[in-house]
Amino acid sequence: EPEVTQTPSHQVTQMGQEVILRCVPISNHLYFYWYRQILGQKVEFLVSFYNNEISEKSEIFDDQFSVERPDGSNFTLKIRSTKLEDSAMYFCASTRQGVRETQYFGPGTRLLVL
Amino acid sequence: DQQVKQNSPSLSVQEGRISILNCDYTNSMFDYFLWYKKYPAEGPTFLISISSIKDKNEDGRFTVFLNKSAKHLSLHIVPSQPGDSAVYFCAAMGPGNTGKLIFGQGTTLQVKP
Repeated sequence: EPEVTQTPSHQVTQMGQEVILRCVPISNHLYFYWYRQILGQKVEFLVSFYNNEISEKSEIFDDQFSVERPDGSNFTLKIRSTKLEDSAMYFCASTRQGVRETQYFGPGTRLLVL
Repeated sequence: DQQVKQNSPSLSVQEGRISILNCDYTNSMFDYFLWYKKYPAEGPTFLISISSIKDKNEDGRFTVFLNKSAKHLSLHIVPSQPGDSAVYFCAAMGPGNTGKLIFGQGTTLQVKP
């Protein structure tokens, strides 16, 4: 069964460093999302992306964040200058043809900012 | 942002019995609801969804009920199995065309053998 994959599974970085989190959505999916979950808190929406454009972004998704689909398979989340409070589990998700479909989530990347 | 609430942090049931997980929402514009299950160190796994035009949706052991007037939905698992032990998240989507899901805090279900 096709699945969303994410790399790396864990990332440790120093505050102020840039990180890039990578996702490979399911191959025929067209809509892409990033969410994060700070330890002990809710899963929070960050951004949705369709047709090479951001559809919606949350207040969390400030100028330090960016997303890109550099080729036909990868979907990346970049944090330019990480802060301690960026430490969280980051999940990528995708849907096939529309937004009112099941979002399939990847296993997540655990980011720790020291 | 407390638009979706799961007021029970945990639930424990005996194997074979019914598990009922509850979720309340405040935004009447939400029109699509989903339940996800999550194991530690894994991403959320889709279980079942319901559109606001329905009040019930069933898939095997899982049934979701939606009460729009009360802004309440529930997930019933019958019969419960030990493998169902996980964190269950309720999520809601509004009418916008962006796919943004708003999640509840989650309920940890433990099914005892």
